Amino acid sequence: DAKTTQPTSMDCAEGRAANLPCNHSTISGNEYVYWYRQIHSQGPQYIIHGLKNNETNEMASLIITEDRKSSTLILPHATLRDTAVYYCIVRSPNYGGSQGNLIFGKGTKLSVKP
Amino acid sequence: DTAVSQTPKYLVTQMGNDKSIKCEQNLGHDTMYWYKQDSKKFLKIMFSYNNKELIINETVPNRFSPKSPDKAHLNLHINSLELGDSAVYFCASSQATSGVDTQYFGPGTRLTVL
Repeated sequence: DAKTTQPTSMDCAEGRAANLPCNHSTISGNEYVYWYRQIHSQGPQYIIHGLKNNETNEMASLIITEDRKSSTLILPHATLRDTAVYYCIVRSPNYGGSQGNLIFGKGTKLSVKP
Repeated sequence: DTAVSQTPKYLVTQMGNDKSIKCEQNLGHDTMYWYKQDSKKFLKIMFSYNNKELIINETVPNRFSPKSPDKAHLNLHINSLELGDSAVYFCASSQATSGVDTQYFGPGTRLTVL
């Protein structure tokens, strides 16, 4: 079972920031938080990951609370192409063994509206 | 160039038939995966191969047999197809570095069993 809880759906106005929350209250000390998204009819796409510190890349920012029990994915200027299901995944370090698989929950369906 | 490719994109077949789905990655990754996404959109790991060796074999009927002729390829053969096998199958690959990796997914193969 997925170890995260996300809202089922969210709306965001085009050009505004989209803030997607995720609860992972049972996260272990060495587990990472990963975010993937799946645009309709496409394969999942990696967005960002983090362990303790906040992270930023060209796609998004990841804010992890100090107790690591929750995080927020931020898309700073959402566009219509960001409409997708966003998955927050907690995962052990992958050293080539069985930790490697991603356990997907139901995710958050983000709808970006004009 | 496509990083992870799958063929065919669509596959329609009759119950009881045997079919194969092919996957190739040109990223030089050591690990490849097969995921299944059912009609309710749940995405679940089926198999994982690391350096051509089976690492993960989730509760999947033995009618499903993955084969990895080399690190760049992971094919999925399905015997005696059943209605419940209808789904979208995604291949993915990754290369772990210090416990962290990004999985790259293919575009998916939509299998319809009639």
